[in-house]
Amino acid sequence: AQRVTQPEKLLSVFKGAPVELKCNYSYSGSPELFWYVQYSRQRLQLLLRHISRESIKGFTADLNKGETSFHLKKPFAQEEDSAMYYCALVGGYQKVTFGTGTKLQVIP
Amino acid sequence: DSGVTQTPKHLITATGQRVTLRCSPRSGDLSVYWYQQSLDQGLQFLIQYYNGEERAKGNILERFSAQQFPDLHSELNLSSLELGDSALYFCASSVGQAGWELFFGEGSRLTVL
Repeated sequence: AQRVTQPEKLLSVFKGAPVELKCNYSYSGSPELFWYVQYSRQRLQLLLRHISRESIKGFTADLNKGETSFHLKKPFAQEEDSAMYYCALVGGYQKVTFGTGTKLQVIP
Repeated sequence: DSGVTQTPKHLITATGQRVTLRCSPRSGDLSVYWYQQSLDQGLQFLIQYYNGEERAKGNILERFSAQQFPDLHSELNLSSLELGDSALYFCASSVGQAGWELFFGEGSRLTVL
């Protein structure tokens, strides 16, 4: 079975503070992991994927197989980062599993 | 708009009824995914189709069924509706089977009274 856990429903940080959105996964094989974001009144959209090892809008995420984590980080939060963030795993049988999401609230 | 389109956007119905939600994927996308989002439940994977064939199944109830047609649009049928089926139902599409970026629709909000 594959599972994605996002332990925080809500994360509030001040503008300019560092952000870390936690994601832990459970999967016996080699996972592909993604972060999706949903801004207010917009569709859910891809933010980044671990394969690309890219930085999008200042966000990065590193896959830690030892800790089975894929935390999303940004050194300095901006107000426009306020949104719902979902961690997703592509595992066996082409199943794409999402976590329950974390709402990031950046306080001005 | 060549993105994922879902109809209807809102639907209110009564318990025991049956509804059909429709999804048109992005042009060129062969995979369609259905997700249910209830309060505090996140995105629950229901089912995935690739080029007309079922590819993966999640926590989809027996009262629910889906299919993908030759023109690649998909329909999710929900029958014998219960109050607990009230949720936002999302459709997403992708080019390939898995590991590709998912493009989401705006969702269909179902309210069962």
